[in-house]
Amino acid sequence: SQQGEEDPQALSIQEGENATMNCSYKTSINNLQWYRQNSGRGLVHLILIRSNEREKHSGRLRVTLDTSKKSSSLLITASRAADTASYFCATDAGGSNYKLTFGKGTLLTVNP
Amino acid sequence: DADVTQTPRNRITKTGKRIMLECSQTKGHDRMYWYRQDPGLGLRLIYYSFDVKDINKGEISDGYSVSRQAQAKFSLSLESAIPNQTALYFCATSDTTGYQETQYFGPGTRLLVL
Repeated sequence: SQQGEEDPQALSIQEGENATMNCSYKTSINNLQWYRQNSGRGLVHLILIRSNEREKHSGRLRVTLDTSKKSSSLLITASRAADTASYFCATDAGGSNYKLTFGKGTLLTVNP
Repeated sequence: DADVTQTPRNRITKTGKRIMLECSQTKGHDRMYWYRQDPGLGLRLIYYSFDVKDINKGEISDGYSVSRQAQAKFSLSLESAIPNQTALYFCATSDTTGYQETQYFGPGTRLLVL
């Protein structure tokens, strides 16, 4: 079963606008990661935020984490057509028997 | 060269056939994973391995088996393929160093079972 659930399922914006995607999860986590997938290709890691962090930046990406609400958001600023992809959150519950649990993803379309 | 490779990239097979998907990595990672992706369902974990002697079932292991032949190789077999195993299959790796774990994905194998 999916731990993370992204919202919205699909998002269409114009180039230059900001894109915000949200992820909600159900159980306590060790960290939360965001991945990007271009159509039909492998996922690529974007950014990781630990459970004791509230905000993290990487280039045009900004991730926030609210553990009290069990939610995270990914903001892409000044979007480009090349940002068109699916974005997935993945949660890590920690422990010795480690594995990531992925959400269903948000399909972002950036129109030129 | 890609760090995580998968072969074949595309495969069409018939119901009842046995097929094997292969994954190789040059990252030197201990941990390897097999996922399947279906439209609207995200990624689901099939099997994972933390070292050569370790195999663990994931969320949807029924109908699949795996073999970890070496640290760098992890293969997925469908013993008797069925149409609902049509999907995009991904191999991934991660290492055990450090506090946090990032997974590195192969390019995927698109499988069609007729």
